[in-house]
Amino acid sequence: GAVVSQHPSRVICKSGTSVKIECRSLDFQATTMFWYRQFPKKSLMLMATSNEGSKATYEQGVEKDKFLINHASLTLSTLTVTSAHPEDSSFYICSATGGQTEAFFGQGTRLTVV
Amino acid sequence: DAKTTQPPSMDCAEGRAANLPCNHSTISGNEYVYWYRQIHSQGPQYIIHGLKNNETNEMASLIITEDRKSSTLILPHATLRDTAVYYCIVRAKTSYDKVIFGPGTSLSVIP
Repeated sequence: GAVVSQHPSRVICKSGTSVKIECRSLDFQATTMFWYRQFPKKSLMLMATSNEGSKATYEQGVEKDKFLINHASLTLSTLTVTSAHPEDSSFYICSATGGQTEAFFGQGTRLTVV
Repeated sequence: DAKTTQPPSMDCAEGRAANLPCNHSTISGNEYVYWYRQIHSQGPQYIIHGLKNNETNEMASLIITEDRKSSTLILPHATLRDTAVYYCIVRAKTSYDKVIFGPGTSLSVIP
């Protein structure tokens, strides 16, 4: 299947700082990318959908100023957690779709805010 | 909200077939059934998808009922590495259609 690479896999940051997570489609052009967060023993919760070159669409309850999403090219989307706090600690996962019908997922980023 | 319902957990003996059911009674005509699985602390892995015909690939088989209101994912010879949470998802076959996850089924393969 297609490959989606997410970086970093783990990050620890201090409270109040910002963290950027990258999501790259390595062997296809991702016209749409999705960002999720997942708490322990819970399912994935969709945060936002981004289409290349346009603003992201956020799910209800997700703060767009808190979670900045950029999808500037067909192979790269970034999620920036601004002014991170301990409650933002979570597992963040990206997904990408393009010409294929199925969505492919990155390996996830474990964010810990201390 | 997710459009599917699955049992929260199942056990399967190693080497036996694992049959994971999914109900999707409100599925629309243009929606496909997709299956993913997530091994602990990893991103979800695509398994298989189908519209109305049964499908088979190197990982699994997908059986969809004639009325399309339910389906079964079959892992023919379960191994310990198949222990994971399995998600059944319905979505249209367009790249921008959302992928919404329900709670899934936690499958434990037992030696």
